[in-house]
Amino acid sequence: DAKTTQPPSMDCAEGRAANLPCNHSTISGNEYVYWYRQIHSQGPQYIIHGLKNNETNEMASLIITEDRKSSTLILPHATLRDTAVYYCIVRVLITDKLIFGTGTRLQVFP
Amino acid sequence: DTAVSQTPKYLVTQMGNDKSIKCEQNLGHDTMYWYKQDSKKFLKIMFSYNNKELIINETVPNRFSPKSPDKAHLNLHINSLELGDSAVYFCASSHKTGRLAGGPGGATDTQYFGPGTRLTVL
Repeated sequence: DAKTTQPPSMDCAEGRAANLPCNHSTISGNEYVYWYRQIHSQGPQYIIHGLKNNETNEMASLIITEDRKSSTLILPHATLRDTAVYYCIVRVLITDKLIFGTGTRLQVFP
Repeated sequence: DTAVSQTPKYLVTQMGNDKSIKCEQNLGHDTMYWYKQDSKKFLKIMFSYNNKELIINETVPNRFSPKSPDKAHLNLHINSLELGDSAVYFCASSHKTGRLAGGPGGATDTQYFGPGTRLTVL
């Protein structure tokens, strides 16, 4: 079972920041938080990952709370092409399993 | 310059047939995976191979047999297809597995996914 919980859906206006929350209250001390997204009918696409510190790359920023029990993915300027299902995943150590939950369906509207 | 490619993109077949899906990656990765996404959109890992060695086998019926001729290819052969096998199958690859990535505390490498193969069993 997935170790994360996410809201099933969110809306965001184009050009605005999209903030996608994720709860992972049972995360272990050395487990990473990964974010992937799946645009309709395509393969999942890696976005970002982090352990403790906040992370930023060309796609997004990841804010992890100090107790690591939750995180937020931020798309700073959402576009229509960011409409997708976003998955927050706690990476199972030792194995390479990505355990996908139900994700958040983000709809970016004009 | 497709990084992870799958063939075919669509596969429609009758129950009881045997079919194969092919996956190739040109990223120089060591590890490859098969995931299944069912009609409810749940995405679940089936297998992973590292350098042609089976690493993960997630209680998949033995009608499913992955084959890795080399580390750039991981094919999925399915015998005696059933209606419930209808799904989208995704191949993925990564550089190294968690067990090889420096042990506990070491991050496993990012998995890159192919475009998927939509299998329909009639």
